[in-house]
Amino acid sequence: DVVLTQSPLSLPVTLGQPASLSCRSSQSLVHSDGNTYLNWLLQRPGQSPRRLIYWVSKRDSGVPDRFSGSGSGPDFTLNISRVEPEDVGVYYCFQLTHWPHTFGQGTKLEIK
Amino acid sequence: EVQLVESGGAVVQPGGSLRLSCAGSGFSFSDSWMNWVRQAPGKGLEWVANIKHDGSEKTYVDSVRGRFTISRDNAKNSVYLQMNSLRAEDTALYFCARESRNWGQGALVSVSS
Repeated sequence: DVVLTQSPLSLPVTLGQPASLSCRSSQSLVHSDGNTYLNWLLQRPGQSPRRLIYWVSKRDSGVPDRFSGSGSGPDFTLNISRVEPEDVGVYYCFQLTHWPHTFGQGTKLEIK
Repeated sequence: EVQLVESGGAVVQPGGSLRLSCAGSGFSFSDSWMNWVRQAPGKGLEWVANIKHDGSEKTYVDSVRGRFTISRDNAKNSVYLQMNSLRAEDTALYFCARESRNWGQGALVSVSS
């Protein structure tokens, strides 16, 4: 199975400051169709997950442009240019290239 | 507006069975891969199973293969998860997800004697 290793596991950030979250894959995530199915999800406290980024760098509709995704195997990054209060929660990377699909263990972002 | 509503969560004894349902609306259900993802209390997300648009392909995580069955009824815009031989470690909040873009609120399954 593909192992996704996220770091850091806990990320205290001052409001208005940038944040960078890492996800490292144990295998290439390039699908045979040429796409890389690496997504980023945010789970706010007490809520269901919400997808923010798909295919490494494509922002979902309604996601603020302060969120950006980048990277290529094995390292992927989610950047937040200026952290806002509503950004608090656990961020998961998630790969859909290989079966079984797998999640990283999550990075918990909190306000310092 | 896309909506996914799970139902069927309950407390069940080890070895028992349960069927979860998920009703979708606001999108083309018959064109969507559908997934079940679970989250044990205080833990991270674990992908459980998914099913292709027409039901012709189904895939499971190893820990549930042979015990859980995913199915769908496109006429009812619904996907199901039949869970048999339940174990304590299956205790979790079970989310229905359209691909990974839309998620339901979850159905709580507790396996306990």
